[in-house]
Amino acid sequence: SQQGEEDPQALSIQEGENATMNCSYKTSINNLQWYRQNSGRGLVHLILIRSNEREKHSGRLRVTLDTSKKSSSLLITASRAADTASYFCATDEFIQGAQKLVFGQGTRLTINP
Amino acid sequence: EPEVTQTPSHQVTQMGQEVILRCVPISNHLYFYWYRQILGQKVEFLVSFYNNEISEKSEIFDDQFSVERPDGSNFTLKIRSTKLEDSAMYFCASIYYGTDTQYFGPGTRLTVL
Repeated sequence: SQQGEEDPQALSIQEGENATMNCSYKTSINNLQWYRQNSGRGLVHLILIRSNEREKHSGRLRVTLDTSKKSSSLLITASRAADTASYFCATDEFIQGAQKLVFGQGTRLTINP
Repeated sequence: EPEVTQTPSHQVTQMGQEVILRCVPISNHLYFYWYRQILGQKVEFLVSFYNNEISEKSEIFDDQFSVERPDGSNFTLKIRSTKLEDSAMYFCASIYYGTDTQYFGPGTRLTVL
């Protein structure tokens, strides 16, 4: 089955620096999504990138997708303390028309003021 | 902006008891999901539901689990006889037909004692 794996598992940087998180997966996908989870809270959708796209931007977020390497990266520029959270990539599988998401283990990002 | 809501936010129960977790998906969404996240682990797919029936379920979703859409707005997950290992955060998600972004609720933290 598909499996997103994030790298690194934990990342700690200073406020204002850029944070890069990577995700690898194993099988072909239709799209890949990134979600944020604040400690003990719900999942917030950040960005979706389709398999025919290579890069996508949303505010301070930049996502790349390399389907030949089955990997994606999430870049957060000019990080803020409020960006402290866990970040998950999720790949999709379609079974009988219904999409399900397969999540990776996540990267725990800490922004130090 | 419409959002998925879940109740209760935290449920504590004794092993062997039945619990019902409730979700109100976004009103015009047609696919509904339950996922769970054991503390410190990845988010795992449990079940998808469309047109009043289960479209897919994972191996986790055994006979102790059931889902129901009792009316036009609620979507419930029932665990018939809870075990200690059912302790987790349970997330409901919904998606509009023909789109790819799943919107997640804030989760219900289930603690089985």
